[in-house]
Amino acid sequence: DAGITQSPRHKVTETGTPVTLRCHQTENHRYMYWYRQDPGHGLRLIHYSYGVKDTDKGEVSDGYSVSRSKTEDFLLTLESATSSQTSVYFCAMGTMPYEQFFGPGTRLTVL
Amino acid sequence: GQQVMQIPQYQHVQEGEDFTTYCNSSTTLSNIQWYKQRPGGHPVFLIQLVKSGEVKKQKRLTFQFGEAKKNSSLHITATQTTDVGTYFCAENTNAGKSTFGDGTTLTVKP
Repeated sequence: DAGITQSPRHKVTETGTPVTLRCHQTENHRYMYWYRQDPGHGLRLIHYSYGVKDTDKGEVSDGYSVSRSKTEDFLLTLESATSSQTSVYFCAMGTMPYEQFFGPGTRLTVL
Repeated sequence: GQQVMQIPQYQHVQEGEDFTTYCNSSTTLSNIQWYKQRPGGHPVFLIQLVKSGEVKKQKRLTFQFGEAKKNSSLHITATQTTDVGTYFCAENTNAGKSTFGDGTTLTVKP
């Protein structure tokens, strides 16, 4: 959706390396989310944020950390990437928690 | 935690046929949202339902929320090739934590 971008869009990395994915929004939305999407699993929530410096864990948060120092940016970090973290990662935003606008996604491959 | 089960996983229809996907929960849902994801794309918000028994329509799409707020459905009348994609239901708490179903992938044969 317009107003939300993700970078990089594609990344290939090696097991054990740190990886940071960036989500940037220009809509001043309070809520931001990180999901991963894998075949047969739909969208699974990793972490979400309900304000600057306010974050909480989702259902698949192990191995991931997030930071939100500004309203517009929500960073997802894989401290030491593993092959099981190969996935498509979507960021989303919303003014209310129930209507989410998704970014274009980042395809991450961990070799 | 809350689980939202979606059926069927796949549905293949001939263009012009109707299509329905169902979302079920063992516990009462506070709300339900529906999203559509086109192949290779990102999920796009379609609608939210909050009230027991609520029915909303968007052109050929009809969304229902069960009386007990434990299930929801999305019905498409007279499918078109543009309806192709995966349809997800989701529940979101007031705090922002959301749970998505695994989705129903619709293919439409012209």
